[in-house]
Amino acid sequence: GAGVSQSPRYKVAKRGQDVALRCDPISGHVSLFWYQQALGQGPEFLTYFQNEAQLDKSGLPSDRFFAERPEGSVSTLKIQRTQQEDSAVYLCASSTLFREVAETQYFGPGTRLLVL
Amino acid sequence: AQTVTQSQPEMSVQEAETVTLSCTYDTSESDYYLFWYKQPPSRQMILVIRQEAYKQQNATENRFSVNFQKAAKSFSLKISDSQLGDAAMYFCAYLRRDDKIIFGKGTRLHILP
Repeated sequence: GAGVSQSPRYKVAKRGQDVALRCDPISGHVSLFWYQQALGQGPEFLTYFQNEAQLDKSGLPSDRFFAERPEGSVSTLKIQRTQQEDSAVYLCASSTLFREVAETQYFGPGTRLLVL
Repeated sequence: AQTVTQSQPEMSVQEAETVTLSCTYDTSESDYYLFWYKQPPSRQMILVIRQEAYKQQNATENRFSVNFQKAAKSFSLKISDSQLGDAAMYFCAYLRRDDKIIFGKGTRLHILP
């Protein structure tokens, strides 16, 4: 497919479990973003990769959150020892590098995480 | 810090009518991009329209157009000839120079048949 894909689409975890959320960006897109969207809110920035380099992780809410993109393509957002407040939709987006051309971010369908 | 404000949590419009969604933002930057994204119940965020701040001409995409007032820091979205498929959450968004997008809280648009 041509779009951003995310898996799983839904994840239910017991409090304290670790979870891993996957994002496949659009082929050739250099930039990759993770957002957290709480119910009824707009997405909030978590972290940003340019190729395999994590250039900004200022939005990660705690050290339980970890993201990686080892080969500059697929990215994984890992949440350790999940808490109920981690319940949200996690959105991934990708974009081309060149700002002056087009910095439109294309979003995946999201992973809805529910922590019980 | 940049902020994006959408003052209308919900709006309704009759099918085939025109509706305008409001957005204001705060920034000290002179060069930036603004976007309207649509998020239907399926949750896939879809780009509706974008505006480069250096362009004075308002962007238009088919039935969607914006009224960009740079001095007033206002960026409203007009949807003409509303259709049932337009029902969704609409997010106004600001792209910072460091490529972070700041989203508003959204406006839920209902289309009345």
